[in-house]
Amino acid sequence: DADVTQTPRNRITKTGKRIMLECSQTKGHDRMYWYRQDPGLGLRLIYYSFDVKDINKGEISDGYSVSRQAQAKFSLSLESAIPNQTALYFCATSDVGGNYGYTFGSGTRLTVV
Amino acid sequence: SQQGEEDPQALSIQEGENATMNCSYKTSINNLQWYRQNSGRGLVHLILIRSNEREKHSGRLRVTLDTSKKSSSLLITASRAADTASYFCASPGRGGSNYKLTFGKGTLLTVNP
Repeated sequence: DADVTQTPRNRITKTGKRIMLECSQTKGHDRMYWYRQDPGLGLRLIYYSFDVKDINKGEISDGYSVSRQAQAKFSLSLESAIPNQTALYFCATSDVGGNYGYTFGSGTRLTVV
Repeated sequence: SQQGEEDPQALSIQEGENATMNCSYKTSINNLQWYRQNSGRGLVHLILIRSNEREKHSGRLRVTLDTSKKSSSLLITASRAADTASYFCASPGRGGSNYKLTFGKGTLLTVNP
């Protein structure tokens, strides 16, 4: 099994729908992150969590919410999807010291029509 | 906002040649990291260089860091077609252990057989 698993891999949804992207990790890391990738814009941080009770907004959190259900699980929700949220979404984890870089999931390709 | 900026945006070389990618960043850093992303896939951590290091090697990868110029370079020697990917630099800035990575927009490397 992959260290960081994201589901679904691909999703097409309609404008206005609520959608949840899920992430689970087997690294035993406390820290988890959600990034969004758009062509030409690189990766941008949506939300991050340093432990189960610590959740923080990133640079583009508007229109998104997250839930840290357990150390291993961090889900991202789009409350009311809009077309400009069409993107590739990545979940990542890291250890506290950050000495070994981030471990990324394979991504969820989300299309909002 | 982008902490790191890669240069060039795209690079095309022949198999066996060396590939050099550069990264410039804005604020002081604890470390700088390089990642690879194959098309549409998750990012893979390649190498981390600390602010007190000037050069680091890992297999065919060589990374340099010049903190006075706020720049880093990634050299891939004897490139292979399988090295075709996007390469990103990322840094946490300075923030003790409460860091989160900010990524550049990436360099797309194409290695032609």
